[in-house]
Amino acid sequence: GAVVSQHPSRVICKSGTSVKIECRSLDFQATTMFWYRQFPKQSLMLMATSNEGSKATYEQGVEKDKFLINHASLTLSTLTVTSAHPEDSSFYICSARKQIYSYEQYFGPGTRLTVT
Amino acid sequence: EDQVTQSPEALRLQEGESSSLNCSYTVSGLRGLFWYRQDPGKGPEFLFTLYSAGEEKEKERLKATLTKKESFLHITAPKPEDSATYLCAVQARAAGNKLTFGGGTRVLVKP
Repeated sequence: GAVVSQHPSRVICKSGTSVKIECRSLDFQATTMFWYRQFPKQSLMLMATSNEGSKATYEQGVEKDKFLINHASLTLSTLTVTSAHPEDSSFYICSARKQIYSYEQYFGPGTRLTVT
Repeated sequence: EDQVTQSPEALRLQEGESSSLNCSYTVSGLRGLFWYRQDPGKGPEFLFTLYSAGEEKEKERLKATLTKKESFLHITAPKPEDSATYLCAVQARAAGNKLTFGGGTRVLVKP
């Protein structure tokens, strides 16, 4: 299989606080993980790519200091939204590549972030 | 710049009414084209990968095909549980691991 989990599934936080979202590959090792953002009725937008043990690569327009990504092991990547504001409210989804020579990405169930 | 356009945006079908979804793409050097299914409030579920023109993949009532400019997802005799948004994505050889997604097609199958 290729199961990816995310925690939490929903989070509500106050403006100015930080929120951490975890992404885990449960039955495989993922050398590369990805973080996406999805607005209602829109498609997925890649935020950053993270490789185990190295710094994440951010897409143009994504603030590195606001969206901190850590890929500490082959099965865990975390996204921390720092000093969250209402405009950061969104659906955040992670994905993972299963094998080095396979290009499919397997997605987690997503995390709904609401900043009040 | 890599581009992916999906049509139609929405599709309403009667149960058993077969149809096709289109994914047109522009990419410099296609590494792979991917189809995903996404249910509301959930992450995308992997369906197929197509690598070269002429390739076809099937899974239950779904069949994906690929040409040099577009891909089709055929839904044969759909059931209400096939209702979902279907996403198409491409990966270019020069884009590293990046997937470029289309806007998706929302499919509603009525009993």
